[in-house]
Amino acid sequence: ILNVEQSPQSLHVQEGDSTNFTCSFPSSNFYALHWYRWETAKSPEALFVMTLNGDEKKKGRISATLNTKEGYSYLYIKGSQPEDSATYLCAFISGTYKYIFGTGTRLKVLA
Amino acid sequence: DSGVTQTPKHLITATGQRVTLRCSPRSGDLSVYWYQQSLDQGLQFLIQYYNGEERAKGNILERFSAQQFPDLHSELNLSSLELGDSALYFCASSAGTEPNEQFFGPGTRLTVL
Repeated sequence: ILNVEQSPQSLHVQEGDSTNFTCSFPSSNFYALHWYRWETAKSPEALFVMTLNGDEKKKGRISATLNTKEGYSYLYIKGSQPEDSATYLCAFISGTYKYIFGTGTRLKVLA
Repeated sequence: DSGVTQTPKHLITATGQRVTLRCSPRSGDLSVYWYQQSLDQGLQFLIQYYNGEERAKGNILERFSAQQFPDLHSELNLSSLELGDSALYFCASSAGTEPNEQFFGPGTRLTVL
């Protein structure tokens, strides 16, 4: 059974803090990993698509790294702002096109 | 606004009925994906179509079916509805197949009474 885990489940940080969370996925049969930002009452919004071991992607204050050999990806947010408050979701795609979503990390940034 | 549209926004129906959810992808996108978000299950991938052909299949029940038409819009048909089918159904589109960025529509909220 393919399992994707995200940790922590939820996180409260102060405005200006930097933070990071983890997505753990099966280390075999990797094809791609997606990160999404999902605000309450809205739709998931794509952040990154990661495909290669050692990939590092950056978008503004948010960045992500990928280690396919050990089966994890980190998402970093530098200098958190209240508007960063959302659920951050990862999705693992296997070589046989199985899409498995994690349960997300709920981030709350306090002003 | 992602450019992906879904209709209807809300749908209330009874057990045993059949409904059709519609999705129009972003202009130029060839792939359409369907997802289900129910309260107890998180986000689940149902099915993907690429340029009219089924490309990948997830946890889609036999009572559910989908298709993508020549104009690239897609429909998800749900039949013999059960209470447990109540969920938010998202459609997403991407330019090609994996590993492309996916753009999500606003979702259709289905309530089965």
